[in-house]
Amino acid sequence: NAGVTQTPKFQVLKTGQSMTLQCAQDMNHNSMYWYRQDPGMGLRLIYYSASEGTTDKGEVPNGYNVSRLNKREFSLRLESAAPSQTSVYFCASGLAGHNEQFFGPGTRLTVL
Amino acid sequence: QKEVEQNSGPLSVPEGAIASLNCTYSDRGSQSFFWYRQYSGKSPELIMFIYSNGDKEDGRFTAQLNKASQYVSLLIRDSQPSDSATYLCAVNPPRGAGSYQLTFGKGTKLSVIP
Repeated sequence: NAGVTQTPKFQVLKTGQSMTLQCAQDMNHNSMYWYRQDPGMGLRLIYYSASEGTTDKGEVPNGYNVSRLNKREFSLRLESAAPSQTSVYFCASGLAGHNEQFFGPGTRLTVL
Repeated sequence: QKEVEQNSGPLSVPEGAIASLNCTYSDRGSQSFFWYRQYSGKSPELIMFIYSNGDKEDGRFTAQLNKASQYVSLLIRDSQPSDSATYLCAVNPPRGAGSYQLTFGKGTKLSVIP
């Protein structure tokens, strides 16, 4: 099992460009999550999907959109990237119930 | 505002000693508690979870939960240099709206000195 996979691993964008971060999991988890991690700020939830067909905003959703394509895949889109979106982005998937979450390897995004 | 607080460290311990990491949380009804380890440049890795008051042991790791005092701790016995990492505490809120979310602390950086 690959667990949670993310693409790309690294990306550099110019201000105003758009891009989609891809995430897939093969653990048959219902819930999936997108976080960003910044120095001194910890992990902050951007969006999550409790189950296929549903998405909800987290703590810092502005400037992002998500799509839960199917049970396995959950993508994060930046429509018009800004330097404030420079961060490391982690996708996670989770079990129902007590909500253990398992993280992908991350995407390091720099917006110039 | 749900909060999870951790001392940012760094916490330095000699090899072979016990490392004690602490976490407090503000939401009294929180249900589940997790410890993640994050090596520099890597993603968080789940190492322990605890749901009930008391201690839970897994190898060299022991998680301790005290819901009345709203704290959870992680003890690492016989600390090794490979344990040097940032440890994140995460808390699952009560059942209901938002129960799928985890609130993370900012982490405690542990350094085990050979």
